Amino acid sequence: DSGVTQTPKHLITATGQRVTLRCSPRSGDLSVYWYQQSLDQGLQFLIQYYNGEERAKGNILERFSAQQFPDLHSELNLSSLELGDSALYFCASSLDIGSYEQYFGPGTRLTVT
Amino acid sequence: GENVEQHPSTLSVQEGDSAVIKCTYSDSASNYFPWYKQELGKGPQLIIDIRSNVGEKKDQRIAVTLNKTAKHFSLHITETQPEDSAVYFCAAPPRGGKLIFGQGTELSVKP
Repeated sequence: DSGVTQTPKHLITATGQRVTLRCSPRSGDLSVYWYQQSLDQGLQFLIQYYNGEERAKGNILERFSAQQFPDLHSELNLSSLELGDSALYFCASSLDIGSYEQYFGPGTRLTVT
Repeated sequence: GENVEQHPSTLSVQEGDSAVIKCTYSDSASNYFPWYKQELGKGPQLIIDIRSNVGEKKDQRIAVTLNKTAKHFSLHITETQPEDSAVYFCAAPPRGGKLIFGQGTELSVKP
């Protein structure tokens, strides 16, 4: 158990809908990362937050957004969902901005029908 | 651009044999190289990592070697066991904290 928690574990929704994925980092970790894992694209970095502020962006679609709250939990919002958004979404956390060791949560499996 | 190549994509070994997975990276600024193990239905688990000022690191049956000049690093698993069966990912952060992952290696250890 990495100490990173993610909810929900599974999510099934229809095209055009909006969903919110939630992540709680390990106790004491200030930085949160979101990754998408799909069969054709592998593990792709989406976005990073540190102590409530966005620090880096990867291949994140404009339909997707994230935030990190004062209690350091983070949410990833996916809107106008398409079939191709079906994937595993992982959250990872690390101690601080300069610390590279990232610990992953169990993931949320999103299925868009 | 930022790129990490991982080989092989699948690897099958007999229990007790050794397994080696290799990765190459493109950004010479990378100075930290982690390896993750992902079991079915679970998130990636950090199993070992190495920093650029070290050429080799070992932890029981697993070891990682780094050749910064050639920009490649490898994962070595000795005395493989069935529970080592999983998908293994290498990664390299070009700058900052984001990880660029290799494509993954599906390791199968046959009893």
